[in-house]
Amino acid sequence: GENVEQHPSTLSVQEGDSAVIKCTYSDSASNYFPWYKQELGKRPQLIIDIRSNVGEKKDQRIAVTLNKTAKHFSLHITETQPEDSAVYFCAADSSASKIIFGSGTRLSIRP
Amino acid sequence: GAGVSQSPRYKVAKRGQDVALRCDPISGHVSLFWYQQALGQGPEFLTYFQNEAQLDKSGLPSDRFFAERPEGSVSTLKIQRTQQEDSAVYLCASSVERGGTEAFFGQGTRLTVV
Repeated sequence: GENVEQHPSTLSVQEGDSAVIKCTYSDSASNYFPWYKQELGKRPQLIIDIRSNVGEKKDQRIAVTLNKTAKHFSLHITETQPEDSAVYFCAADSSASKIIFGSGTRLSIRP
Repeated sequence: GAGVSQSPRYKVAKRGQDVALRCDPISGHVSLFWYQQALGQGPEFLTYFQNEAQLDKSGLPSDRFFAERPEGSVSTLKIQRTQQEDSAVYLCASSVERGGTEAFFGQGTRLTVV
């Protein structure tokens, strides 16, 4: 069945440094790859997404890259700030239109 | 309302009790998803509706789980004869189109089975 793998499960970076989270997916028909941020006790919220017709998308300090051939996509956060601390989930849609999530990365920003 | 609304926010059920969880999606959204999120885990897909049609229920863990969306808007997830392993946060999400668009999540219902 469809599967999304996410690494690492935890990540600690110094404030101001960059953070990278990587995901792989199994369904070659996937065309939409969103990233969600979830703060403790709150709902997941979309921070950026990318479609299969582009290889990279950037929004201020956040960027996502996609390699469809290798079925890899990554989230890059530059100049990290304390408010970036949260759990991040990658996801991929499937040929059946459902969205499958990775297991999450707990990002901690050290002051 | 402006967003996806779920009720109740918290539910404590005795083992064996039936529960019903409600989701009010964003008005006009075609797609509706239910997910189960255990502590420290990612959302696990349960079921998907396109309008009133349940197109995928492959994630429902057992026949004790049942979901419906009879008029293509409000959805209810029902769990019969609850077990301790059903304890989790149940998230509902909706999106405006069939696929490839942002899914907006509700606050979730935290179910605790004692």
